[in-house]
Amino acid sequence: AQSVTQPDIHITVSEGASLELRCNYSYGATPYLFWYVQSPGQGLQLLLKYFSGDTLVQGIKGFEAEFKRSQSSFNLRKPSVHWSDAAEYFCAVGPTITSGTYKYIFGTGTRLKVLA
Amino acid sequence: DTEVTQTPKHLVMGMTNKKSLKCEQHMGHRAMYWYKQKAKKPPELMFVYSYEKLSINESVPSRFSPECPNSSLLNLHLHALQPEDSALYLCASSQDWREGGNEQFFGPGTRLTVL
Repeated sequence: AQSVTQPDIHITVSEGASLELRCNYSYGATPYLFWYVQSPGQGLQLLLKYFSGDTLVQGIKGFEAEFKRSQSSFNLRKPSVHWSDAAEYFCAVGPTITSGTYKYIFGTGTRLKVLA
Repeated sequence: DTEVTQTPKHLVMGMTNKKSLKCEQHMGHRAMYWYKQKAKKPPELMFVYSYEKLSINESVPSRFSPECPNSSLLNLHLHALQPEDSALYLCASSQDWREGGNEQFFGPGTRLTVL
């Protein structure tokens, strides 16, 4: 069955430090992968996406992600975190087909806290 | 315009009330979605409309009734809700839900509280 795993529920980093958020997926074919960010009480904003081609993807707000097929991973990185990056981050795969139904599958999210 | 708008931002209702949530997009997207999100959880898909037709209903209770009056609008009618239905309700849209690469654009959500 298709799934998305974000192993870290919470991550705390100091402002200016580097960041890596982990995402592992389980999907039979080449996945369509997304990273979204959600500030408290707000909707989700797309940071970046991977469909094919270059495995290192650049996104908005200085984020990048690398697709590694051998590790079934799509980790999100940022070289220097800003206090405004504190938010919930969701990795997603989609659409996948489960019993004839197309679905977007979201990971459980990683909450990022940034220390001043 | 790459924005999905939702009204109202907040809604408090009793279990006997009838209310509606509204969602609008002007990006020409043909797929629109309703998600429910509980605190500290990922969004859960409720409904998908594709070309104004209901394509997916994720076994949502009938007290939630979606409606897509036209390609830009999506409503969620609420009736006889339960306190456990309190959540953030997110609307999203994409070019076409069957296309793998179509990113979803999310609205800011409606925070619903059922008393």
